[in-house]
Amino acid sequence: SYELTQPPSVSVSPGQTARFTCSGDALPKQYAYWYQQKPGQAPVLVIYKDSERPSGIPERFSGSSSGTTVTLTISGVQAEDEADYYCQSVDSSGSYGVFGGGTKLTVL
Amino acid sequence: QVQLQESGPGLVKPSQTLSLTCSVSGGSISSGDYFWSWIRQPPGKGLEWIGYIYYSGSTYYNLSLKSRLTMSVGTSKNQFSLKLTSVTAADTAVYYCARAHGALGGAFDIWGQGTMVTVSS
Repeated sequence: SYELTQPPSVSVSPGQTARFTCSGDALPKQYAYWYQQKPGQAPVLVIYKDSERPSGIPERFSGSSSGTTVTLTISGVQAEDEADYYCQSVDSSGSYGVFGGGTKLTVL
Repeated sequence: QVQLQESGPGLVKPSQTLSLTCSVSGGSISSGDYFWSWIRQPPGKGLEWIGYIYYSGSTYYNLSLKSRLTMSVGTSKNQFSLKLTSVTAADTAVYYCARAHGALGGAFDIWGQGTMVTVSS
């Protein structure tokens, strides 16, 4: 079955830049999406179509794609950004969804 | 403002069937722009995609669950449902319903609050 691979954790100090990677063989041909999930809450979409930001999401959130890896970047991290971040996409057929294992952001 | 709300039993016995419903308010489930989905999250673990259903009834299921899973849509009630048979403790999770928005490439832009389902005797 198709998998997306994310590192388990990222730690940064406030004001620094946090980068989250997500790797998958189908990512060159399928869009990736990123979700933020805080404890006890439903996930929130922060990036769609690799690099587009939904309305209401701060400009410090950005996304990029290169080959089989997509990256979520948070510039000028704030304490409120501490959360789990999940990438999501579909397999090469476009029919089956998949989530990465998630990356926990710790703001030091 | 579209909202999703999951409903169903919070406790299911092993080997029985887990049944959940997602009610859609503030918009029509019959809009062709969306797929409707179930996603679950075991305690302390990551998200798992369960499946999609279109308003026409077309379905796409996680292959690891396909043999136990049925999703259906009720356009007159503006809701969609999930049935998972022969459950075990491994099916214990928070179950979310979500909307996949075609204009956003299929991203899950709206989520329900989630409902905890525990499989235990």
